[in-house]
Amino acid sequence: DIQMTQSPSSLSASVGDRVTITCRASQSISSYLNWYQQKPGKAPKLLIYAASSLQSGVPSRFSGSGSGTDFTLTISSLQPEDFATYYCQQSYSTAMYTFGQGTKLEIK
Amino acid sequence: QVQLVQSGAEVKKPGASVKVSCKASGYTFTGYYMHWVRQAPGQGLEWMGRINPNSGGTNYAQKFQGRVTMTRDTSISTAYMELSRLRSDDTAVYYCARVNVVRGKINWFDPWGQGTLVTVSS
Repeated sequence: DIQMTQSPSSLSASVGDRVTITCRASQSISSYLNWYQQKPGKAPKLLIYAASSLQSGVPSRFSGSGSGTDFTLTISSLQPEDFATYYCQQSYSTAMYTFGQGTKLEIK
Repeated sequence: QVQLVQSGAEVKKPGASVKVSCKASGYTFTGYYMHWVRQAPGQGLEWMGRINPNSGGTNYAQKFQGRVTMTRDTSISTAYMELSRLRSDDTAVYYCARVNVVRGKINWFDPWGQGTLVTVSS
């Protein structure tokens, strides 16, 4: 199975900060990497697909980059509604999808 | 709009089975694979498997092989996930999610159902 490792596991930041979350795959997954946002008690919401494509309706302060094994999710200027948990997901191996362990973004 | 609506919360005893439903609307049900993902309390997301609503073909994560069965009823655009021989560590929120595919390979999960809490307790 392809292992996905996110860092950091948790992060404290302030409104207006620029934040970067990293996701590393245990083998090359090309650009088959998605990012989701999850708020407490809610289902995950797609933010970025194919490493860098912004899902329709998602604010442009969210961006994704990377290919191969190393990927990043960047929030350019944190807004109050962005405090949530973020997950990466590899979609390269469709026989066994795997997610990162999550990064909890908290208010400083 | 595309929407997935799941059945309500369940409480089961260890050793029992649970069947969760996921009703799709707003799109052609047989045109998209449906996936199931679970999340234990305070934990991350775990992929369980998928079903091709057109053929009924399934693929399950190794961890759940022999305990999970995914089915569908195309007449009512509904997918089902049944988990048997429940244990306390099966307590989790279970989500269905539709996969979208472009250019033959790029794929992602969207939308997701609202989730169904399954509690396993004696």
